[in-house]
Amino acid sequence: SAVISQKPSRDICQRGTSLTIQCQVDSQVTMMFWYRQQPGQSLTLIATANQGSEATYESGFVIDKFPISRPNLTFSTLTVSNMSPEDSSIYLCSVRTGPNSPLHFGNGTRLTVT
Amino acid sequence: DAKTTQPTSMDCAEGRAANLPCNHSTISGNEYVYWYRQIHSQGPQYIIHGLKNNETNEMASLIITEDRKSSTLILPHATLRDTAVYYCIVRGPGAQGAQKLVFGQGTRLTINP
Repeated sequence: SAVISQKPSRDICQRGTSLTIQCQVDSQVTMMFWYRQQPGQSLTLIATANQGSEATYESGFVIDKFPISRPNLTFSTLTVSNMSPEDSSIYLCSVRTGPNSPLHFGNGTRLTVT
Repeated sequence: DAKTTQPTSMDCAEGRAANLPCNHSTISGNEYVYWYRQIHSQGPQYIIHGLKNNETNEMASLIITEDRKSSTLILPHATLRDTAVYYCIVRGPGAQGAQKLVFGQGTRLTINP
């Protein structure tokens, strides 16, 4: 299975600022996704990170708030822009190596916005 | 997306088999059933997946009913480290949706000594 590294593992940020989260995979993968897990809740898919093109966002998530980059098959970034306390969550990168292969997750970035 | 229904919580004694049920009555013929678990403060961990046949690996067994409307994840000899939230997921439909997984609320499994 792919080894997924996320940076930072946690951060405390002030309202109105932005944070960029990095996701690095140790092998080329076909699909990369970004999920959010709010306190005490299940995971919600934010978007699919597409290599070389704009990300595909789920309902309720927009590019201006969560810009995503994926310059190659092993790396992606998620930016949480103009943060508010409601953005306090765990943000998780996940990858899939093939259409029916399992989804593998990093350990996430725990974000607290004050 | 096909919806799954799981009990909110379950308890099991250490050393016994933990049987976690999942209903997915609207599953389509080409949709897989995936199981993940999330131990506190960690990312979800893949356990097992299947389409029609029962599956077994080093972690667990997956029993899918013949009509595919429900399944059961079996942890044969539960340990305290198996305490986690267990998610049963059916892969979403569509070209793009076929690649993503939609998580429900899961079952909080507590293994008791």
